[in-house]
Amino acid sequence: QVLLQQSGPGLVKPSQTLSLTCAVSGDSVYSDSAAWNWIRQSPSRGLEWLGRTYYRSKWFNDYAASVKSRITINPDTSKNQFSLQLNSVTPEDTAVYYCARSRFYMDVWGRGTTVTVSS
Amino acid sequence: DIVMTQSPDSLAVSLGERATINCKSSQSVLYSSNNKNYLAWFQQKPGQPPKLLIYWASTRESGVPDRFSGSGSGTDFALTISSLQAEDVAVYYCQQYFSNPYTFGQGTRLEIK
Repeated sequence: QVLLQQSGPGLVKPSQTLSLTCAVSGDSVYSDSAAWNWIRQSPSRGLEWLGRTYYRSKWFNDYAASVKSRITINPDTSKNQFSLQLNSVTPEDTAVYYCARSRFYMDVWGRGTTVTVSS
Repeated sequence: DIVMTQSPDSLAVSLGERATINCKSSQSVLYSSNNKNYLAWFQQKPGQPPKLLIYWASTRESGVPDRFSGSGSGTDFALTISSLQAEDVAVYYCQQYFSNPYTFGQGTRLEIK
């Protein structure tokens, strides 16, 4: 059974960096058939895919254009986890953040982390 | 970006009756080389993450009751619940995984009439 365990702070100040981690069990971030995604959900923006990292002989990243200048998704192979960093946050980045595995379609999701951007 | 538009926004159906949710993509999500539609359906209940129901437009995820079915191709898709149960009350989303960014519909809220 694949499980994704999210961790990270629920409150971030404007202009600072949002950092979340997603620990993977039951699969490997090195899987050659999976990608590791971050998605967020807010009342104003709905469900929004942010980006992914995946390994196909080397590491690749894809990011949504809406956040491309501010986002980094990195694998941590020593801990079998991956992370999200979103820089220069504003209140518009307030949302529930999810990590998810995809094998084309997103079949396993983390439980979500509510992140509020506020001073 | 591919825009996913669901209809209706909300739907009330009697227990045991059929519920149908529609999803239209702004461009085709059918990949001609493998004849697969890159379209998934999710169910989301309050306080929970989305749960995968259907992928490749019509393949039911393991463990999903067979009253859930997906249909359609190209740009027009549907999710049908053949006989609504109380536990099916939720918000339903379609999502395309054809091209970056992988976009979702706005959601359809399904309630009991």
